[in-house]
Amino acid sequence: DTAVSQTPKYLVTQMGNDKSIKCEQNLGHDTMYWYKQDSKKFLKIMFSYNNKELIINETVPNRFSPKSPDKAHLNLHINSLELGDSAVYFCASSQGYGMNNEQFFGPGTRLTVL
Amino acid sequence: DAKTTQPNSMESNEEEPVHLPCNHSTISGTDYIHWYRQLPSQGPEYVIHGLTSNVNNRMASLAIAEDRKSSTLILHRATLRDAAVYYCILRDLDSGNTPLVFGKGTRLSVIA
Repeated sequence: DTAVSQTPKYLVTQMGNDKSIKCEQNLGHDTMYWYKQDSKKFLKIMFSYNNKELIINETVPNRFSPKSPDKAHLNLHINSLELGDSAVYFCASSQGYGMNNEQFFGPGTRLTVL
Repeated sequence: DAKTTQPNSMESNEEEPVHLPCNHSTISGTDYIHWYRQLPSQGPEYVIHGLTSNVNNRMASLAIAEDRKSSTLILHRATLRDAAVYYCILRDLDSGNTPLVFGKGTRLSVIA
């Protein structure tokens, strides 16, 4: 069983379009995240949700809007796509406080904006 | 999260042990040392973590210096599948479900 899944795996689109990436975790975790890995391979946090509530937004443009319909899902909607949005986006989840909070990552969605 | 320093890249022969170093001279008393790795075209995955004592699990061992200012991830017998970027990350005891802060990591190449 896949723990954290993302769809689609690849997404190619034109500048100015609106697109969504979906994430689901079947681990029963309370916290979910979106990370972005740019062309230089730097991995950076974008958003963090706990029990469907936004707890961290790392100065991401308003064009990016995460939505968590329930604890198991955290989708990422991007409006008016720009060339600089091209990257690999990773969803992750974790549970619990203290040091027993290993994060589980999805396989990533490679977004290419033309 | 405190800063860590890792070599950009390392190379190993298959079936040999690999020692991946990490310096964290500004580590605080409540910082745990976590290691994640990212295989090609995959998301990062947890490897191991520790506080003061050396730790072993099925994937690797973690050796922590007595002053805790450095640590070493040990892969006992490198396989081709271990070729990945390895990230050393400090996490405070109270960090809970906060995001991971990734550095550049060490790119490990394994030669057959």
